[in-house]
Amino acid sequence: QKEVEQDPGPLSVPEGAIVSLNCTYSNSAFQYFMWYRQYSRKGPELLMYTYSSGNKEDGRFTAQVDKSSKYISLFIRDSQPSDSATYLCAMISEAAGNKLTFGGGTRVLVKP
Amino acid sequence: NAGVMQNPRHLVRRRGQEARLRCSPMKGHSHVYWYRQLPEEGLKFMVYLQKENIIDESGMPKERFSAEFPKEGPSILRIQQVVRGDSAAYFCASSPLAGGPGSYNEQFFGPGTRLTVL
Repeated sequence: QKEVEQDPGPLSVPEGAIVSLNCTYSNSAFQYFMWYRQYSRKGPELLMYTYSSGNKEDGRFTAQVDKSSKYISLFIRDSQPSDSATYLCAMISEAAGNKLTFGGGTRVLVKP
Repeated sequence: NAGVMQNPRHLVRRRGQEARLRCSPMKGHSHVYWYRQLPEEGLKFMVYLQKENIIDESGMPKERFSAEFPKEGPSILRIQQVVRGDSAAYFCASSPLAGGPGSYNEQFFGPGTRLTVL
């Protein structure tokens, strides 16, 4: 069983729709939860990170963490074709140092 | 301010050859991380280095792989006697500091080196 599970998609939505992404994890020691966006043939770029449980909003993006369920989510409102990319969740356990543990990524396609 | 630089961007090697991948961290960053992304998979941590020190190599294969981050110059990931299964995208990331209690120091990723083993 992988430490972090993520549906690979692809997830296809019309422009303007809400994109809903999620990951589940098994290691209860994870404390930092990140979402990265990766365009084809590019390196990942950090969208948001959350420490412990709760919600965080940044513009069109909302990240949610439910540590009791070991479940994290990312919502993208008013999606644009430029949001078409692979979205990777990642996590860090302080006890294990600063190394990121990634999910497999979800491909998102926003159609005009 | 230039981002993380990696070269070469594409590298083709025949089985049994050596591959050397270079990473120059962002200016002011002294922490470097290497990750590998196999086709259709997420990124997997390989090694974490500071200048002249390997901090965590728990993700490195036991044989043929080595990494260094010398006092001067880029970090190098070396793969000896490459095999087809080494074909992947290798990403380097850098951060200014290590993570500490209650804080996360963002890792900035380079564009990756795509290694193809024939």
